[in-house]
This record gives sequence, C-alpha cells and structure tokens, in this order.
Amino acid sequence: SAVISQKPSRDICQRGTSLTIQCQVDSQVTMMFWYRQQPGQSLTLIATANQGSEATYESGFVIDKFPISRPNLTFSTLTVSNMSPEDSSIYLCSVRRDRYGYTFGSGTRLTVV
Amino acid sequence: KQEVTQIPAALSVPEGENLVLNCSFTDSAIYNLQWFRQDPGKGLTSLLLIQSSQREQTSGRLNASLDKSSGRSTLYIAASQPGDSATYLCAPLGGTSYGKLTFGQGTILTVHP
Repeated sequence: SAVISQKPSRDICQRGTSLTIQCQVDSQVTMMFWYRQQPGQSLTLIATANQGSEATYESGFVIDKFPISRPNLTFSTLTVSNMSPEDSSIYLCSVRRDRYGYTFGSGTRLTVV
Repeated sequence: KQEVTQIPAALSVPEGENLVLNCSFTDSAIYNLQWFRQDPGKGLTSLLLIQSSQREQTSGRLNASLDKSSGRSTLYIAASQPGDSATYLCAPLGGTSYGKLTFGQGTILTVHP
C-alpha cells in the first residue's frame, strides 16, 4: 500500500492566521482526499484533489477557506485560512489504491487559540 | 446517502477476551468495506479490506465479515491485548456516495491489563 508523509504533525496557531498542511505520497496517485475530524467526531471529507484541475469540495466546505494545491501526482497541500477556534481539528490526507483500499497520513492536529 | 452505525460506542474489557465490534450501513450497493484503527490524536491505520464479493477477511488476530445484502460487517478481535486499545472505524465505499468513504462514529476500545 502507499506510504504518505504528512506534516506538520501538530501546530498551535493564532486566530486569523493560516496554516498549510503538506502530504507527500511515495508513488503516483490520481486522486488525493482531505478530511477533517473535529473533536469527538468521525471523519468528514473536505475535498478531492486531482492533479491539473480544481479540487472538488463537499457541501459545507469552500475554496476560499480551504484552498488546495495539487502540483503533481505525488504531492498536495491543504491551507486552512483565516482560522478561528472552530477550525481546531485533526486534518488528514488520504489516497486510494483499488487493491489496498484507502491509506491515510498520520494527521495534523491543529489548535487555534 | 450512506449512513454508518457502529455498536457499541465504547467497550472496556480485561486482557484476553474475545471481542465483537459491529457495523451497519444503509446502502448495500458498496464496492468494499474497510476497517481502520485510530490511536488518540493520530491518523488512521488500515486493518482489513473486504471486497463486496468476499464474505470475510483475516489478518492475525483480526477477522472481519461482510454481509452485504443485510448491510452489516463485524470485526472480531481474538485474545485482546492492551495494545489493541484504540478507536475502531468501519467505512463502506461506494453505493450512493459515488466512491467516497463514509465513516461511522467508531467504537472506542479499552483493554485493561
């Protein structure tokens, strides 16, 4: 299965600032997925990132708040913009391989103060 | 829209017990179902992937079954150990969610020495 390197692993940020999260995959993949896990909740899909096209956002998530880049088939970033305490969550990236299912990064634990 | 329910929500057992975690889903038109483990504040680790054509899958002390027609999956953990303590998530893929993973709320497992 794929190996995903995600960073940072955690961060504490000031209200109103932005944080960019990076995910590097050890092999080429068509789609990368970004999830949010709010405290005590399960995972919610934010968007699907395809190389060479705009990301597809799920209901309730917008590009201005969560801009995504996908410059090549092994790398993607998610930015959490103009942060508020409500953005405090674990953010995870993921890829899918038909034979192995989904693989997740180690997560970014974000606290906004 | 796919909905996933996991029972029990939490489970606390002494070391050595055999455990059964239950997952039910509303849309049976799935491609496969994946079980994950999540340690506190961390990413997800894939445990087992069951294809829609399979009835069960085994890895070490773990055995997962799938009854697609009734919308149910079960994760069986044999001879539980303190290191098994984590949140267990099931996620069916496909159906009306168009190839997206849908997560349940998870079962929080605590195994006491």
